[in-house]
Amino acid sequence: GNSVTQMEGPVTLSEEAFLTINCTYTATGYPSLFWYVQYPGEGLQLLLKATKADDKGSNKGFEATYRKETTSFHLEKGSVQVSDSAVYFCALRPGGTSYGKLTFGQGTILTVHP
Amino acid sequence: EAQVTQNPRYLITVTGKKLTVTCSQNMNHEYMSWYRQDPGLGLRQIYYSMNVEVTDKGDVPEGYKVSRKEKRNFPLILESPSPNQTSLYFCASSSATRQLEQYFGPGTRLTVT
Repeated sequence: GNSVTQMEGPVTLSEEAFLTINCTYTATGYPSLFWYVQYPGEGLQLLLKATKADDKGSNKGFEATYRKETTSFHLEKGSVQVSDSAVYFCALRPGGTSYGKLTFGQGTILTVHP
Repeated sequence: EAQVTQNPRYLITVTGKKLTVTCSQNMNHEYMSWYRQDPGLGLRQIYYSMNVEVTDKGDVPEGYKVSRKEKRNFPLILESPSPNQTSLYFCASSSATRQLEQYFGPGTRLTVT
C-alpha cells in the first residue's frame, strides 16, 4: 500500500536558520506529492505540491523537489522565521486514479525561536 | 469568503450516545472528505465523497457513517461512539477541476468518556 514517512520531530531552530524536513514515500505508479502546514488551532493549508518527477514545488520561501529515484520530497527553507512555527505534513495522492485516498505522514512539529 | 465550516468545534460525550459532526462548504466543491488526526499518526482518511450520493471508505471507516444528500454538506455520524474515537476531526473539500488542492475546516475536537 501507500505510505509516507517523515523525519522524527520536533525540530527546534533559531530564526534565520536553514530548514530541512525529510519525507520519503512508498507508492505504486506516479503519485502527486504535497506539503501541508497546520498553524496552532487551525486546519491544514496546502503549502506546495508537485505532480511529476523532478517537479519543484515552492511557496512562501519553502521548496520541495519530487525525486522519484530516491522516493523523496524533502521540504527546505533557507531562512526560517518565528511565524513558520507550525506542524508540517507530507502527503501523497496515488497517480492514475480518480479522487481518492490522500495518505499523510505523521507530521513534524517545527518551533522557531527569536 | 470561501470556507469549510464544522460544528461543533469541541464536543465531550459519553460512550454509546449517537452524535453527528456537521461539515459544510460554500465553494460548490464536488469532493469532500473526513479525516481524524491522532498524535504520531498524522491524518487518516475516514470517508470521502466524490459527489452527491457517492461515498467511499477511506483508511479507517470502522465506527463511522457519512451521507451526502446535498453538495455542500457532508456530515459525519458516530452511531455508538467509543473512547478510541477520541480524536481531532477535519473535514476537507476540493473541486473536480482542482482536485489536488484540498481546503480544510478548522477541526472538531471530540472526547468520548
